[in-house]
Amino acid sequence: EAQVTQNPRYLITVTGKKLTVTCSQNMNHEYMSWYRQDPGLGLRQIYYSMNVEVTDKGDVPEGYKVSRKEKRNFPLILESPSPNQTSLYFCASGRQAATGELFFGEGSRLTVL
Amino acid sequence: SQQGEEDPQALSIQEGENATMNCSYKTSINNLQWYRQNSGRGLVHLILIRSNEREKHSGRLRVTLDTSKKSSSLLITASRAADTASYFCATRVGNQFYFGTGTSLTVIP
Repeated sequence: EAQVTQNPRYLITVTGKKLTVTCSQNMNHEYMSWYRQDPGLGLRQIYYSMNVEVTDKGDVPEGYKVSRKEKRNFPLILESPSPNQTSLYFCASGRQAATGELFFGEGSRLTVL
Repeated sequence: SQQGEEDPQALSIQEGENATMNCSYKTSINNLQWYRQNSGRGLVHLILIRSNEREKHSGRLRVTLDTSKKSSSLLITASRAADTASYFCATRVGNQFYFGTGTSLTVIP
């Protein structure tokens, strides 16, 4: 089954404790991206990757890191989480940006205390 | 920001009625897409319309695009309770996707 898998789905952590949210897709997609969704603000793009070893900042990259060492995986790293990073995070993938359609994971709800 | 804006923010209709939601955006685009999100779940792609297209249909969905007004509309005909969800437009600019804030649709059985 074609899918984008995120882990963990729910996480409560404390300020400053490094964490990684994993994202994996089984569709051989070149394009992967991370979004955060906050009430009233819609989805905002954090980082995206056009292919292995190619990553770029989105609109809200501050406080986040990503890596793309393998085509299927695109982890989101919060080196020192802060309460303003409490949000619902989505990973998405697509064949290439040119085709447009994105496939989304089920989301990871992160709370930073 | 190049973010799209959906209108209305919330819409409540009776089952069987049509639902129309609108999206406005700010810059030239390659394509515009509509997505659906059930509460707390991931977004699901509904339909894509390219910048050189004016109208597109898919089942009970009809999308229009007016690039001169930088706007799009999504029409859901003969709505069902299962259509209750949030609907987002998304524009692709270069290699980035910009999502609106969404329209929350409630279909009352």
